[in-house]
Amino acid sequence: GAGVSQSPRYKVAKRGQDVALRCDPISGHVSLFWYQQALGQGPEFLTYFQNEAQLDKSGLPSDRFFAERPEGSVSTLKIQRTQQEDSAVYLCASSPGQVRDEQYFGPGTRLTVT
Amino acid sequence: KQEVTQIPAALSVPEGENLVLNCSFTDSAIYNLQWFRQDPGKGLTSLLLIQSSQREQTSGRLNASLDKSSGRSTLYIAASQPGDSATYLCAVLDAGGTSYGKLTFGQGTILTVHP
Repeated sequence: GAGVSQSPRYKVAKRGQDVALRCDPISGHVSLFWYQQALGQGPEFLTYFQNEAQLDKSGLPSDRFFAERPEGSVSTLKIQRTQQEDSAVYLCASSPGQVRDEQYFGPGTRLTVT
Repeated sequence: KQEVTQIPAALSVPEGENLVLNCSFTDSAIYNLQWFRQDPGKGLTSLLLIQSSQREQTSGRLNASLDKSSGRSTLYIAASQPGDSATYLCAVLDAGGTSYGKLTFGQGTILTVHP
């Protein structure tokens, strides 16, 4: 079956531009996570959705980062006024339930801010 | 706050060698521990998941062990092959805190197996 998909796979933005990154989770999965992976580092948690509710946004690095999942399926991570330190791979993961289920990861979006 | 450390940061071995990757975590109250593989430009592929009540898991040439009390896990790769070259990530899911569980990752070990 189809796994988690993300688009675009690569994004180059000039500093100050806004970007939107999309995640299509596995159909029917309740939980959706966003992680940020800087070069040479492990992924770090950004935010969590249970269906359409954003229950945890403690990992978002600044108020320039905004995420939504309005219908409880597709999610969008938006970064406003991008800065060079936002350059990273943004990974999306989904899991079937809401209590510590195994997470399935998408291929990620590599964002480069010039 | 949970912290995960992986040693070594990079490893280069000739084909056929058996090797061990190490992972340590600071808070032993974990729900499970997972080893992932990441190829360049790709997402994460789950290799092995060990529940907190388990001591080890095996899949093919891979064996992962867990010593929760000492905060350590090892990933053993037998008879390494060039196709094993990738970054290996260790991640823990805490038992406390949130019920949905956010993963805490180590920084990874970059493995190169040369022919």
